[in-house]
Amino acid sequence: GGIITQTPKFLIGQEGQKLTLKCQQNFNHDTMYWYRQDSGKGLRLIYYSITENDLQKGDLSEGYDASREKKSSFSLTVTSAQKNEMAVFLCASSIGGGRGTGQLYFGEGSKLTVL
Amino acid sequence: GDSVTQTEGLVTLTEGLPVMLNCTYQTIYSNPFLFWYVQHLNESPRLLLKSFTDNKRTEHQGFHATLHKSSSSFHLQKSSAQLSDSALYYCALSPTNSAGNKLTFGIGTRVLVRP
Repeated sequence: GGIITQTPKFLIGQEGQKLTLKCQQNFNHDTMYWYRQDSGKGLRLIYYSITENDLQKGDLSEGYDASREKKSSFSLTVTSAQKNEMAVFLCASSIGGGRGTGQLYFGEGSKLTVL
Repeated sequence: GDSVTQTEGLVTLTEGLPVMLNCTYQTIYSNPFLFWYVQHLNESPRLLLKSFTDNKRTEHQGFHATLHKSSSSFHLQKSSAQLSDSALYYCALSPTNSAGNKLTFGIGTRVLVRP
């Protein structure tokens, strides 16, 4: 089995601040994702990457940047935190390239609070 | 684009009674993969069921679902709810198994099982 590790688990920031979340996976999966989870809105895709140095925008990419530095890691940056924002960010990975079914494996989440 | 519609809000039911959560989808692709993910409190989502075969029942941990392409549905059912089934349930769609495996999630259905 493998594991997905997200850091930090809790992140508190100030309005306007740039904040970065990191994700590491040891599944050796090709594809990695960042989802945002909000109550009543489900899981919304921010960015995904099908291989190292690849980036694809999801439905919610505005206000975020991402970087796939190597196959095992995928980071997400909130470019300017919004006051009173609270959300959980979930990193996930999957086998790609037609060899998988699309099943995602999730990390435990990073909870963001903006004061 | 792709979309997933599922039973909204909170479903409250009594232990021992049947559970049914509705899920319908829209996609232009003829062979989508459908998933149910479950997320218990303070945990990350994990796969409960998946299917890509039309009219074939798939089962796991007492839950079952059948993909019906004719009605674009993948409803989740269980004959007898348990207290431990209290969780957030997401229906999700992957249009193909090609590179990217971009999943589209529904907004989630929260299930509360009472004694």
